[in-house]
Amino acid sequence: NAGVTQTPKFQVLKTGQSMTLQCAQDMNHEYMSWYRQDPGMGLRLIHYSVGAGITDQGEVPNGYNVSRSTTEDFPLRLLSAAPSQTSVYFCASMTSGGIYEQYFGPGTRLTVT
Amino acid sequence: KQEVTQIPAALSVPEGENLVLNCSFTDSAIYNLQWFRQDPGKGLTSLLLIQSSQREQTSGRLNASLDKSSGRSTLYIAASQPGDSATYLCAVHSGGGADGLTFGKGTHLIIQP
Repeated sequence: NAGVTQTPKFQVLKTGQSMTLQCAQDMNHEYMSWYRQDPGMGLRLIHYSVGAGITDQGEVPNGYNVSRSTTEDFPLRLLSAAPSQTSVYFCASMTSGGIYEQYFGPGTRLTVT
Repeated sequence: KQEVTQIPAALSVPEGENLVLNCSFTDSAIYNLQWFRQDPGKGLTSLLLIQSSQREQTSGRLNASLDKSSGRSTLYIAASQPGDSATYLCAVHSGGGADGLTFGKGTHLIIQP
């Protein structure tokens, strides 16, 4: 099992550009999430999904879009990048059925200039 | 709203010591509590998951305890090694889905050789 994979590992964008952060998992988990991690702020939930075709907003959703067409993939789209979106982004998947154990990808470090 | 606090924020100890990291949470109605390790520039690695009905979990030199009624968990590391140096994060799952996780800000641990 590869677990949770994310691409790219690093990305530099100019203000106003758009891009998609890729996330995939091979554990057949229904639940997937996107977090951002900033110094002093901890991990904050951006968007999450409870299954293919179902997504919802987390704590800090503004400026981001998600979709879930398959169980495996959960891409995060930045619509018009802003310097405030400079952060480390983590994708996670979680077991269901009452256990709720979360598994994280290696992260994408994004810089917006 | 669930709040998770980790004390201390940073800790530096000589190799070989036994140590305790603390995690407290404000709402005792939880599904589980998960301890993670994060190395610099890396993702989160799950160390231990304690279900709400359990009092403790052990993995090698690590032991995590949970006292739900008092809103506390401890992570005990025995015979610390320089390779244990990392940031340790505590996460509490309060809700029933992918949006129910609340993270502490972590304890940055340095083990001096």
